[in-house]
Amino acid sequence: AQSVTQLGSHVSVSEGALVLLRCNYSSSVPPYLFWYVQYPNQGLQLLLKYTSAATLVKGINGFEAEFKKSETSFHLTKPSAHMSDAAEYFCAVSPMNRDDKIIFGKGTRLHILP
Amino acid sequence: EADIYQTPRYLVIGTGKKITLECSQTMGHDKMYWYQQDPGMELHLIHYSYGVNSTEKGDLSSESTVSRIRTEHFPLTLESARPSHTSQYLCASKASVPEETQYFGPGTRLLVL
Repeated sequence: AQSVTQLGSHVSVSEGALVLLRCNYSSSVPPYLFWYVQYPNQGLQLLLKYTSAATLVKGINGFEAEFKKSETSFHLTKPSAHMSDAAEYFCAVSPMNRDDKIIFGKGTRLHILP
Repeated sequence: EADIYQTPRYLVIGTGKKITLECSQTMGHDKMYWYQQDPGMELHLIHYSYGVNSTEKGDLSSESTVSRIRTEHFPLTLESARPSHTSQYLCASKASVPEETQYFGPGTRLLVL
């Protein structure tokens, strides 16, 4: 079985500061891992995904995440926050052999302070 | 840019009414999904389809039903809406090729009075 835990339902950072959104997962089989972003009144957009290639994954809008198997983590980072980054971010996991059975975390709302 | 559409975007309806939420994609994807998302909560899979005439229930029990008569179309129906059905419903689609991305529509916000 798979599960995802996102630490912090709300995170606030100043514009220009480092963004760090935490995600830990549990999976009984090798996982695929995803980060999605949801802007107000919109659907989910894929930021990046880990599919067993490089452990450091680069995504859109300057975001990246590192798969750490020993820590069962897949934290999302961005060196310098922009106001446009304010949104809800979802971490998700799926088993490699069923990559469409995605389990989502509860989400972290990112607030950017001017 | 993903080409997956949902209508209506917002719906306010009275208890007992029958409603159909539309979802269409123009990418030729075989796999389609419906998720339910309550405010501040994670997405829960309620229905999925692997192709025409294929429909399965997801992890979260739902009183809704779905159909897949055409590849591009995956409507969700509630025969008799209740206030407990108030939620956001997100449709998604994916190609059958492994590791391909699941693309989401903009969602339908449903309020049942």
